[in-house]
Amino acid sequence: EVQLVESGGGLVKPGGSLRLSCAASGFTFSPHTMNWVRQAPGKGLEWVSSISGSSNYIYYADSVKGRFTISRDNAKNSLYLQISSLRAEDTAVYFCARSVIAVAPAPYFYYMDVWGKGTTVTVSS
Amino acid sequence: DIQVTQSPSTLSASVGDRVTITCRASQSIGTWLAWYQQKLGKAPKLLIYDASSVESGVPSRFSGSGSGTEFTLTISSLQPDDFATYSCQQYKSHSYTFGQGTKLEIK
Repeated sequence: EVQLVESGGGLVKPGGSLRLSCAASGFTFSPHTMNWVRQAPGKGLEWVSSISGSSNYIYYADSVKGRFTISRDNAKNSLYLQISSLRAEDTAVYFCARSVIAVAPAPYFYYMDVWGKGTTVTVSS
Repeated sequence: DIQVTQSPSTLSASVGDRVTITCRASQSIGTWLAWYQQKLGKAPKLLIYDASSVESGVPSRFSGSGSGTEFTLTISSLQPDDFATYSCQQYKSHSYTFGQGTKLEIK
């Protein structure tokens, strides 16, 4: 079964840090671009960051640039998000999502077909 | 960045109704648009990709259309399981953007 399982969320004070993890199983992890998407309470989905299969291409939303770092370990079938300098507005459920492998002329960063159940990050003093 | 605007934000309908949700992009995105369904407390589920391709396993009552800057998601005959929030997402740009979501409620 294709599966993504996030972990690492929790309650953290403003200015604090956390490392989120996403364990992938049931598919060949290394070729797929992987993503983090978050959803604040009562709000819509917000793309956070993406990383290509070989980690050559990495992108961040402006709202997290300089504070969040995405990485992956293909040997461990795992995706990570180091989140630092946390603010109240970072409070959200953080989802890990797999991008479908694109075939030209499709965009390299293609749509997301598999999502994890999410891990909750709460930033509060 | 490409902005994506969905309408309406809330839609009240009854079982058996035909409903349409619209998504507009701030610039042309070709057909690089997906639709997701999300139930409360759950992960998004892919319904439509490339504007009109239905994901495997998704009921045939769901369809998508459009290109350029205007797109629609249509549910031909609402079923009780369809009451959820629907979001569109553009992927023409590597900076993905989502619509703000449409909550489909029971009338």
